[in-house]
Amino acid sequence: DSGVTQTPKHLITATGQRVTLRCSPRSGDLSVYWYQQSLDQGLQFLIQYYNGEERAKGNILERFSAQQFPDLHSELNLSSLELGDSALYFCASSKQGAGVETQYFGPGTRLLVL
Amino acid sequence: GIQVEQSPPDLILQEGANSTLRCNFSDSVNNLQWFHQNPWGQLINLFYIPSGTKQNGRLSATTVATERYSLLYISSSQTTDSGVYFCAVGDTGRRALTFGSGTRLQVQP
Repeated sequence: DSGVTQTPKHLITATGQRVTLRCSPRSGDLSVYWYQQSLDQGLQFLIQYYNGEERAKGNILERFSAQQFPDLHSELNLSSLELGDSALYFCASSKQGAGVETQYFGPGTRLLVL
Repeated sequence: GIQVEQSPPDLILQEGANSTLRCNFSDSVNNLQWFHQNPWGQLINLFYIPSGTKQNGRLSATTVATERYSLLYISSSQTTDSGVYFCAVGDTGRRALTFGSGTRLQVQP
């Protein structure tokens, strides 16, 4: 158990819908990262937050957005869903978000868009 | 951006055999992690090893940063070692991890 929690574990929805994925970082970690694992793109970085502020952006679509709340949990919002958004979404956390430290990954949320 | 290549892409072993997985990266790194993704999809941290050598039970890893590669050694493999092994790196310009495409390991009884 990494100490990072994600909910829900599984999500099935239809095209055009909007969903919210939730992540709670390890106790004491200030930084949260979101990654997407799809069959065709592999594991890729989406976005990073540090202590409530956006710190870095990766290959995140405009239809996707995220935020980190004062209690440090984070939410990833996916809207106007397409079939290609079906993937495993991981949240990771680290202490300072400086890069030179271990990132711990949550169990993931498996999203299926029908 | 930094490129990460893992080899071999697939590996089939008999239980008890040893194996070496390789990760090459195209630029200097300040973070390198090895993960095991189990059949349920969970990403399990194995090592944080931007340089040097570490050992944890039957697993060990070595990163030679100056030559831009890392090796993961699995000794006396067990069926529970099956899954996909990922190498992921972070460079000075990017705090997030860039993942390789993985090595899929199947250990047969």
